[in-house]
Amino acid sequence: AQSVTQPDIHITVSEGASLELRCNYSYGATPYLFWYVQSPGQGLQLLLKYFSGDTLVQGIKGFEAEFKRSQSSFNLRKPSVHWSDAAEYFCAVGFYNNNDMRFGAGTRLTVKP
Amino acid sequence: DAGVTQSPTHLIKTRGQQVTLRCSPKSGHDTVSWYQQALGQGPQFIFQYYEEEERQRGNFPDRFSGHQFPNYSSELNVNALLLGDSALYLCASSQPGLPPYNEQFFGPGTRLTVL
Repeated sequence: AQSVTQPDIHITVSEGASLELRCNYSYGATPYLFWYVQSPGQGLQLLLKYFSGDTLVQGIKGFEAEFKRSQSSFNLRKPSVHWSDAAEYFCAVGFYNNNDMRFGAGTRLTVKP
Repeated sequence: DAGVTQSPTHLIKTRGQQVTLRCSPKSGHDTVSWYQQALGQGPQFIFQYYEEEERQRGNFPDRFSGHQFPNYSSELNVNALLLGDSALYLCASSQPGLPPYNEQFFGPGTRLTVL
């Protein structure tokens, strides 16, 4: 079945530690890939996106993501987490001939002092 | 430059009632999409409007309808509200063009509670 999977519902990391959030997709063609962040009660803010080219994508707030076609993955990373990074993170896919976006269920990030 | 705006921020309705949510797109954008985000879930695509027509629709019943005005703003209407319609409703706007130029920008959402 076509899907976007974020295997981790909730992750807790210490401030200053590194972070990796996982995302896998299951679609016939390579979709366009996005990571969004959502703070409580807020809308979605785009962190980064991949359409083509270099498979390592840099985003805002020090985030990066790597597209791995062989693994159908687009994992989000940050070398050193700040307390303000605590939020919900969503992976999403888009398509050339479709106008909707498909989202994963999200990963909630808690940052310990 | 104002981003995507939505009104109202919060709304409480009872089962069976009807509700209208509003969205103003980012300046220069002519396409509006609506998403439903239930608690603890990712957003789900409801439909997209372009040139005042519904261009694409997700897996939502006909109780969900929309409209786009000549100034590109949009409304989402939900009839015969059910408890399960309680959610955050997100509006996203985009500019004309093909990927990657049609990136969607999201508004802050309207929180609908159905009692």
